[in-house]
Amino acid sequence: AQRVTQPEKLLSVFKGAPVELKCNYSYSGSPELFWYVQYSRQRLQLLLRHISRESIKGFTADLNKGETSFHLKKPFAQEEDSAMYYCALRTGGTSYGKLTFGQGTILTVHP
Amino acid sequence: NAGVTQTPKFRILKIGQSMTLQCTQDMNHNYMYWYRQDPGMGLKLIYYSVGAGITDKGEVPNGYNVSRSTTEDFPLRLELAAPSQTSVYFCASSLDRGHTEAFFGQGTRLTVV
Repeated sequence: AQRVTQPEKLLSVFKGAPVELKCNYSYSGSPELFWYVQYSRQRLQLLLRHISRESIKGFTADLNKGETSFHLKKPFAQEEDSAMYYCALRTGGTSYGKLTFGQGTILTVHP
Repeated sequence: NAGVTQTPKFRILKIGQSMTLQCTQDMNHNYMYWYRQDPGMGLKLIYYSVGAGITDKGEVPNGYNVSRSTTEDFPLRLELAAPSQTSVYFCASSLDRGHTEAFFGQGTRLTVV
C-alpha cells in the first residue's frame, strides 16, 4: 500500500536560514508527487509537483527514487513561508487517482 | 467560477445524530475526494471518486458513506455520529489523475458532543 511519511511535525528556523522539509514515500509503482501548503486561514493549495521540476516561491523539490524521497528545500526562508506543508502521492494501478497525504509539517520562520 | 464549495462551515452534532456534508465543484472535474484533518495526524483520505457513479474507500471509511450521482456533487454522509468523528473535513477535486492539481474546499469543522 502507498504511504507518505513526513517525519517532522514541527520545524522552526530563523529568517534567512535554509530550510528542508522531509518527505519519504512508499509505493511500488511510478510515483506522482506533490507539495501542498496551507497558510493560516486559507485553503490548502498546490505548491509544486515533481513532474514540473519548477521553483515556486523559492522552493524546489527533487524526486529521489533510490531513497524514495521528495524533500522540499528553500535556501533562504522568509517569515511569509510560515505555514503547514503537506507532501502528497498520487497512485495508479488498481487504485488509480488515489491521492494520499503525509502527516504534515508546521513550518515557523522567526524574524 | 466558485471552485470547490463545502457546506456547512461549522456544525455541532450530538452523539448518534446523522448529517450530510455537502461538496460541489463547478470545474467539471472527474476526481473528487473527502479528507479529514486531525491535529498531528495530517490529512486522512475517507473516500474518493473517479467519476459519476464510481466511488472507492480511502484509509478511514468506517462510519461514513458517499455517493456520486453527478459530476458536480460528492456528499459525505455521517450515520450515527461519534466523538471520534470530531474533525475538520475537506473536499477536493481534480480534473484527472496524474500530475493535475487538486483544488480544495474551505473545510467543515464538525464537533460531535
